[in-house]
Amino acid sequence: NAGVTQTPKFQVLKTGQSMTLQCAQDMNHEYMSWYRQDPGMGLRLIHYSVGAGITDQGEVPNGYNVSRSTTEDFPLRLLSAAPSQTSVYFCASSYSNPGGPSPQYFGPGTRLTVL
Amino acid sequence: GQSLEQPSEVTAVEGAIVQINCTYQTSGFYGLSWYQQHDGGAPTFLSYNALDGLEETGRFSSFLSRSDSYGYLLLQELQMKDSASYFCAVRDQDSNYQLIWGAGTKLIIKP
Repeated sequence: NAGVTQTPKFQVLKTGQSMTLQCAQDMNHEYMSWYRQDPGMGLRLIHYSVGAGITDQGEVPNGYNVSRSTTEDFPLRLLSAAPSQTSVYFCASSYSNPGGPSPQYFGPGTRLTVL
Repeated sequence: GQSLEQPSEVTAVEGAIVQINCTYQTSGFYGLSWYQQHDGGAPTFLSYNALDGLEETGRFSSFLSRSDSYGYLLLQELQMKDSASYFCAVRDQDSNYQLIWGAGTKLIIKP
């Protein structure tokens, strides 16, 4: 099992560019989440999904879109990159709703810099 | 509003015991989770407490007191590889029952 995979590992964008961060999991988990992590801070939830075709906003959704067409994939799209979106992005999946006994499994992260 | 408080940094000596505290303020309570994150790495799950008391998993233990809105992670027989950041997280009713995270505690271990 590969677990949770993310691509790319590193990315540099110019202000105004758009891009998609890819996330895939092979554990047949229904729940998937996107977080961003800024220096010295905990993770903040961007968007999450409770199953294919169902997504919802988290704490910091502005400037990001998601879709969930399959159980395995949960891409995150940056619509028009801004320097404030410079961060490390983590995708995670879990068998059930995070925060219970079922752990979240995280991908290796994407380090994004917006110039 | 919801919040979690953890010390920003804790220093300990190899072989010793260290406790990392977490106090929380949330709407409803559905359990306290702990994650470990090494520098440059991804968070990994350590433990989960839904009921008061101590849960032990090898060298790591986690404690919860719901009446005090407080928990801690206890690391015993510290090893250099335990140098990492430790995050507490809770599920919050006002956040659509999704996880909210503390800012993390950086554990520095000295030989």
